[in-house]
Amino acid sequence: GAGVSQTPSNKVTEKGKYVELRCDPISGHTALYWYRQSLGQGPEFLIYFQGTGAADDSGLPNDRFFAVRPEGSVSTLKIQRTERGDSAVYLCASSSRQGGEQYFGPGTRLTVT
Amino acid sequence: QKEVEQNSGPLSVPEGAIASLNCTYSDRGSQSFFWYRQYSGKSPELIMSIYSNGDKEDGRFTAQLNKASQYVSLLIRDSQPSDSATYLCAAHGSGNTGKLIFGQGTTLQVKP
Repeated sequence: GAGVSQTPSNKVTEKGKYVELRCDPISGHTALYWYRQSLGQGPEFLIYFQGTGAADDSGLPNDRFFAVRPEGSVSTLKIQRTERGDSAVYLCASSSRQGGEQYFGPGTRLTVT
Repeated sequence: QKEVEQNSGPLSVPEGAIASLNCTYSDRGSQSFFWYRQYSGKSPELIMSIYSNGDKEDGRFTAQLNKASQYVSLLIRDSQPSDSATYLCAAHGSGNTGKLIFGQGTTLQVKP
């Protein structure tokens, strides 16, 4: 079946602008995760959804970052007042259960100029 | 800060050899462990999961877990040039969270 999909694949924005990144998980997967990966580093956890609710948002770096999953499927990561330090690859993953295997989407490369 | 540590490498092995990748973790509450392969410019691809002490084999890959030593390893037998990639070790965080804690990855180079 279809894997995790993410759009856009690339996003270039100016400092101070607002961006939205979208994730469509594997069908039937109730758990959805957002990570951020900088060059030469492993992915860094941002937020975890179980169904519609954010079960763990401890990785969000500050209040400029927000994510929603209103119907328990597609999720949107929202970043306000972008900064150059936000430039990274944003990865989404899904799994059928907490603690289970997580499958990653292709990522969105965000560049803030 | 809960951590997962890996040697960044690069680890260079000749084609056909066994590649051994290692990882240690600090959170004794972690119960699930994963190995991902990541090609340059691509996203991580799950290759192995391991949940209990001992060895788990899948084709040319063997994952090993020792919870007492807080140590996870991945062996790749008959290494191929196509195995050249960065290998990420991840531990599932303890407590009521789904998050994975990743190491920085080990770069493997398999030379023909």
